[in-house]
Amino acid sequence: SAVISQKPSRDICQRGTSLTIQCQVDSQVTMMFWYRQQPGQSLTLIATANQGSEATYESGFVIDKFPISRPNLTFSTLTVSNMSPEDSSIYLCSVEGAGGGNFYEQYFGPGTRLTVT
Amino acid sequence: GENVEQHPSTLSVQEGDSAVIKCTYSDSASNYFPWYKQELGKGPQLIIDIRSNVGEKKDQRIAVTLNKTAKHFSLHITETQPEDSAVYFCAAVGMDSNYQLIWGAGTKLIIKP
Repeated sequence: SAVISQKPSRDICQRGTSLTIQCQVDSQVTMMFWYRQQPGQSLTLIATANQGSEATYESGFVIDKFPISRPNLTFSTLTVSNMSPEDSSIYLCSVEGAGGGNFYEQYFGPGTRLTVT
Repeated sequence: GENVEQHPSTLSVQEGDSAVIKCTYSDSASNYFPWYKQELGKGPQLIIDIRSNVGEKKDQRIAVTLNKTAKHFSLHITETQPEDSAVYFCAAVGMDSNYQLIWGAGTKLIIKP
């Protein structure tokens, strides 16, 4: 498994502003993922972030709205740009292959609870 | 693409009884099926998983069974305790979804004292 931390844990932001969420892992991992979870809902994959390459976005998510950085094998950031109340959600990062773990096993951070007013 | 359906959406059981949550998937090529537990205010926690080369896997009070022919898998929790109260998610690897996890809708498990 892996120890994953996210900053901030929660934030309240005004519409039109941007927020950058950080994800830090205690070991080197190949695959990092960003998810969104609306209250009471399941998880929706935003994008896959691989070190040294551009993030791969899922349908409905675009780089201009959710730019992602992956500068090394233990860190990634997700920015939520030009926020609106519809962006209020929990944002989760996850990792795969941590500590020599099995393929497909994903471990999650604690999440960032974002409220946009 | 892969589709995962999860039932029930809410399950209430008496403490000490067993709980069973079921998921069906559509892609017969899927070969990895994890279960996650999400407590209030926390991220999902991987509690058990199964790969398509086995039919059952146990870890203390939890077990997962897989029926590849019927394309369904289930989570079994025995001797439920109050700390088992949480939302449980199943998932399956989508072979034609770039190997991403495809998630069920979740089951809220309530353990009644």
